[in-house]
Amino acid sequence: AQTVTQSQPEMSVQEAETVTLSCTYDTSESDYYLFWYKQPPSRQMILVIRQEAYKQQNATENRFSVNFQKAAKSFSLKISDSQLGDAAMYFCAYMTGSARQLTFGSGTQLTVLP
Amino acid sequence: GAVVSQHPSWVICKSGTSVKIECRSLDFQATTMFWYRQFPKQSLMLMATSNEGSKATYEQGVEKDKFLINHASLTLSTLTVTSAHPEDSSFYICSLTGSSGNTIYFGEGSWLTVV
Repeated sequence: AQTVTQSQPEMSVQEAETVTLSCTYDTSESDYYLFWYKQPPSRQMILVIRQEAYKQQNATENRFSVNFQKAAKSFSLKISDSQLGDAAMYFCAYMTGSARQLTFGSGTQLTVLP
Repeated sequence: GAVVSQHPSWVICKSGTSVKIECRSLDFQATTMFWYRQFPKQSLMLMATSNEGSKATYEQGVEKDKFLINHASLTLSTLTVTSAHPEDSSFYICSLTGSSGNTIYFGEGSWLTVV
């Protein structure tokens, strides 16, 4: 079974600073996708960034980037120039290429300090 | 992009009654829909996967007779919590994907409180 582990229940960052959220996963599959989702207090799931396992290049979306280490099964999220609106629960998620269902980590609550 | 509408956003029901939650795709043909449950301060746990026109596949530990899932069309899936109990109180979220499976869309979620 696939598992996703987020070892940081809570993180905080000063506004305009950079923060990195950790995620590791375990799988025997070769075809899979990794995601970071943001869940603000509204509970709406918002896709932050997505990475295909077959791509060696790390995905980037504006201030958000990932460090994908396939051999180490690590998928960390870096948020640069943190903004107050970035405060939310962040979930790392895994999906196989065939099953199309998401397995979520336990989440990291990010606080942005003004 | 696709818009997913989940209804109701909030529902309170009495213990022992049944409640239905709808998940609609407004402009997307959803071949596969997923239902998740999220307890306070916890992660999303997959309850079941449903493909249009087929019976849902339930995750281990989820009672299929209690959580009835219907995916009768490419735009609608429903979750019915039967004989609800206070421990069923939770946040329920649907998500859907199309035939390519490359993009997943989430509903806004539904808060269920059983009193």
